[in-house]
Amino acid sequence: DIQLTQSPSFLSASVGDRVTITCRASRDISTYLLWYRQIPGKAPQVLIYGASTLQRGAPSRFTGGGSGTDFTLTINFLQAEDFATYYCQQLKTYPYTFGQGTKLKIK
Amino acid sequence: QVQLQESGPGLVKASGTLSLTCVVSGGSISSSNWWNWVRQPPGKGLEWIGNVYFSGTANYNPSLQNRATISVDTSKNQFSLEVTSVTAADTAVYYCARVQRYFEYLVFDSWGQGTLVAVSS
Repeated sequence: DIQLTQSPSFLSASVGDRVTITCRASRDISTYLLWYRQIPGKAPQVLIYGASTLQRGAPSRFTGGGSGTDFTLTINFLQAEDFATYYCQQLKTYPYTFGQGTKLKIK
Repeated sequence: QVQLQESGPGLVKASGTLSLTCVVSGGSISSSNWWNWVRQPPGKGLEWIGNVYFSGTANYNPSLQNRATISVDTSKNQFSLEVTSVTAADTAVYYCARVQRYFEYLVFDSWGQGTLVAVSS
């Protein structure tokens, strides 16, 4: 299986800040990577697909980058609804796998 | 706008079988998409269980050790999950989700709200 490791696992920031989360794959997944935001009690919502393409309806303050094994999700100008947990997911090969998550908390 | 809704018992006895159904509305399950199950134990991360195509072809996560079966009923526009020999480790929120192709990429673009299944001893 392809392992995805996110860092950091926990992150504290303030409204208006810019933050970056990284996701490292155990082997090359090209750009077959998604990023999600999950608000407690809700289903995950896809933000980015193809490593860098903004999903329709996702706010433009989210930016994805990277290819191969190293990926980033940057959130510009944090809003209150962004304090949630973020996951990366690879769809290069079965079984599809997720990172362990990054919990973004208000400082 | 396609919508997905999970249903099934919220409590299953250990060693029994967990059975869930996902009803698809606002779109046809026979479209060129894969239909998936994902679970999340309380306070933990996400795990992909498997998926099914409208033809009945299915793929599974080996982590479930052949205990999962996903099937599709095109006449009812729904798909189902069964997990046998459940233990406390199968306690989780179970989500159904659609994967749609966006150019060369597959995207989990629609999710159900999730349903909590607890395994009791």
